[in-house]
Amino acid sequence: AQTVTQSQPEMSVQEAETVTLSCTYDTSENNYYLFWYKQPPSRQMILVIRQEAYKQQNATENRFSVNFQKAAKSFSLKISDSQLGDTAMYFCAVTRYSGNTPLVFGKGTRLSVIA
Amino acid sequence: EAGVAQSPRYKIIEKRQSVAFWCNPISGHATLYWYQQILGQGPKLLIQFQNNGVVDDSQLPKDRFSAERLKGVDSTLKIQPAKLEDSAVYLCASSNSAGGYITEAFFGQGTRLTVV
Repeated sequence: AQTVTQSQPEMSVQEAETVTLSCTYDTSENNYYLFWYKQPPSRQMILVIRQEAYKQQNATENRFSVNFQKAAKSFSLKISDSQLGDTAMYFCAVTRYSGNTPLVFGKGTRLSVIA
Repeated sequence: EAGVAQSPRYKIIEKRQSVAFWCNPISGHATLYWYQQILGQGPKLLIQFQNNGVVDDSQLPKDRFSAERLKGVDSTLKIQPAKLEDSAVYLCASSNSAGGYITEAFFGQGTRLTVV
């Protein structure tokens, strides 16, 4: 079984500042994928960034980057130059590296970006 | 490219009534998922389809929930009879396998169900 833990229910950050959201996971798989999804009030889950566990290099997408520590089973998300539009729920998720397998999500972190 | 379509967006019903949700995945996506997201929690898988076959329904409360995916395209999720604890957002997602490699799951906007 796979589990995901997000220990920060809520966080806030000033506009233009940097914030880091934490995520730890547990899996017995050797190969797996990790994701961060954003869920704004519209409820639609939007993929922010993904990381293949076999890759040592941390994934980066514009202002979003991850710190992937495989041995510690840690997968944190860093948002640089925070914008008001980043305000949303953020979910960390894991899935097996095997075709189309379902995502296992954490409970989420509510991020508020303050002007 | 059109996204995953879900309807209705909102539904309020009384307990013991029945309700159905509809999902139209992205064209060509063979895999379809239904997730239940209770307030304050992350989405939890209810059922996964590959084309029109069920891959995983281990977490579907089969005494009251049912789902089908006719012709491997659209899908409906039904609850009968509904309970108060079924109040949640029901998310549909689809993805397309490519040689066995994981691909992104695309989500619809969900249906918010309130059972009173």
